[in-house]
Order: sequence, then C-alpha cells, then structure tokens
Amino acid sequence: QSVLAQPPTVSGAPGQRVTISCAGSSSNIGADADVHWYQQLPGAAPKILIYGDNNRPAGVPDRFSASKSGASASLSITGLQAEDEADYYCQSYDYSLSGSHVVFGGGTKLTVL
Amino acid sequence: QVHLAESGGALVMPGGSLRLSCEASGFIFSESFMSWIRQAPGKGLEWIANIGSSGTTIYYADSIKGRFTISRDNAKNSLYLQMSSLRAEDTALYYCARDNGYSYGYDSWGQGTQVTVSS
Repeated sequence: QSVLAQPPTVSGAPGQRVTISCAGSSSNIGADADVHWYQQLPGAAPKILIYGDNNRPAGVPDRFSASKSGASASLSITGLQAEDEADYYCQSYDYSLSGSHVVFGGGTKLTVL
Repeated sequence: QVHLAESGGALVMPGGSLRLSCEASGFIFSESFMSWIRQAPGKGLEWIANIGSSGTTIYYADSIKGRFTISRDNAKNSLYLQMSSLRAEDTALYYCARDNGYSYGYDSWGQGTQVTVSS
C-alpha cells in the first residue's frame, strides 16, 4: 500500500488528453511538500518529467503539465502519442516525527489505444 | 553529463549479504545528496535510503532499517549500499539516484543493478 495513491491504469487514444491523479494526505502533499513526476518507459530507468509541482525540465514537451491542490496532485498529458505509453510515478515527501521521508505513488500504467 | 553506474547485484541466499556500489561522474558528487531506490519485479518504485553530501545525514525506510547501511566515499565519487539479512522480498532492481533537493526531485538515475534473493 503506497503512501501516495495513483490509479493503476489509464488509457487514451492518440491525440486525446489523459490525467493521472496522485492522492496524498496532510503529512505529505497536504503539508505543501513538493510533488515530482517520473516517466518510466518499458525496460528503462525512471526519468524526471515534472519537478517542483509543475515545472518541466529542459527537453520535456509542453504536452506534459501538472498541478497540485490540497492533498492531491495530478499529471496531464495532452495530444497523446504512442511514445507516451509508459509507467508514471508521483513522488513527494512525508513528514513524521522521525523526519522527512521520500514517498512514491504506486505508479500508473498509461496505455495509448 | 551526469552518469551513474550501479554494480554489485547478484543472486544471494536468504540471510546473506551483498554490497552494492554506484560510481558517479559528470557532476560534483561531494556536493550532492544521493539515494537508493528499488523496484521489485512488476512493482513500483520504493525509496530505501538517503545520504547527505558529507555522509552525516542519513535516512532509511522502515522496510530495511537495521539491515541495510548506506555510505559514500566522496574521494572515489562512489555511493554504497551494504545489505545484510537479505529476504526474498528484497529481490528488486536497485537504482542509485541523485537527489537534487526537495524542489527538484531525482534528476539523474543509473540503470540499476539486479539483486535476487533465493535459495
């Protein structure tokens, strides 16, 4: 059971828009902890897609965007392309008495129909 | 160009030990926080340990606390994970990643090294 909850799967047709949710709690996203998103293509290492809630690293297409509200975050992909088929993970920080720990969502597999 | 290369993964029996290494290049390793993150077969990402730039700040996930030790040698640009009392559930691909801070996330990842715990 991941600290951050993501839907296991989402799908969309080429050209469509999909959204992947990431639900946290008052000890992580709700505490205004930064949220980052990673894309993991089949057989590859994860790659950062969005950092600091809604910022794209150089080279990431503007089809990818993200937002955060309350204890949840979401990743949106517009103009879906076949190459977007991958696993997507949200990541944040959980604040507890023992300190700040990194937490990941369980991941969402995106299928491009 | 940032490059991280893990090594040391192997097939090991339950209860055994293993030491993973991660060699870094292309950036000032001694100024970077680093982490180990693992991915069990067909599963998601699991953060397991962080180490600060000087090696004095360390955090562990509860799942491995007391069994694994993260360390670094800045003179060798290397990160380590000493694993002991290994269990079947430790079977995973182990990644080292550069932690660029709370606001920037993990901006660089290695390709991973496979650890399989089985008799």
